[in-house]
Amino acid sequence: GQNIDQPTEMTATEGAIVQINCTYQTSGFNGLFWYQQHAGEAPTFLSYNVLDGLEEKGRFSSFLSRSKGYSYLLLKELQMKDSASYLCAVLDSNYQLIWGAGTKLIIKP
Amino acid sequence: IAGITQAPTSQILAAGRRMTLRCTQDMRHNAMYWYRQDLGLGLRLIHYSNTAGTTGKGEVPDGYSVSRANTDDFPLTLASAVPSQTSVYFCASSGEAGGPADTQYFGPGTRLTVL
Repeated sequence: GQNIDQPTEMTATEGAIVQINCTYQTSGFNGLFWYQQHAGEAPTFLSYNVLDGLEEKGRFSSFLSRSKGYSYLLLKELQMKDSASYLCAVLDSNYQLIWGAGTKLIIKP
Repeated sequence: IAGITQAPTSQILAAGRRMTLRCTQDMRHNAMYWYRQDLGLGLRLIHYSNTAGTTGKGEVPDGYSVSRANTDDFPLTLASAVPSQTSVYFCASSGEAGGPADTQYFGPGTRLTVL
């Protein structure tokens, strides 16, 4: 079967750095997405990785290792507004997105 | 409008009633999707449409139907609602030229409660 694993919840301090991990086992791979979802709102696109390595976009970076079935989202200089759920999703061989259950990130002052 | 809109925002429905959730996008995206999101389970695909006139079944299609008569609209119908269909429903679309391939953009969601 297809499976995406992420930690259920993480806590971090304002101004710090946090890394959210995602491991996947899917039938094929055509890219990995990270989305941010604030409580009661829709998911919004953060990043896309299809090749191994690090993609940096401001305070957010996303890393992919296809051989290990592993990705992480790195958030730097955390702000209170970063409190949200972070969803990892993999595009499988049928070009369907397989979603993880999401990681709820709590930022403390 | 710009993006994806969904209606209604929320609805309380008696079991056994028929309900259509509406979704409209103005980005000329080819592909559209319906998901349900339940606590602890993540987003699950109900139905999808790769282009106007075609539809396909996702992971959890039972009890739901869709149509795609044109590019912009993708309604989701519950023929006879049951309490297990209580969920938050998101419509999404993809296909914008210039963005990462297959990036999906989401509507604001419909919160449905079936009693």
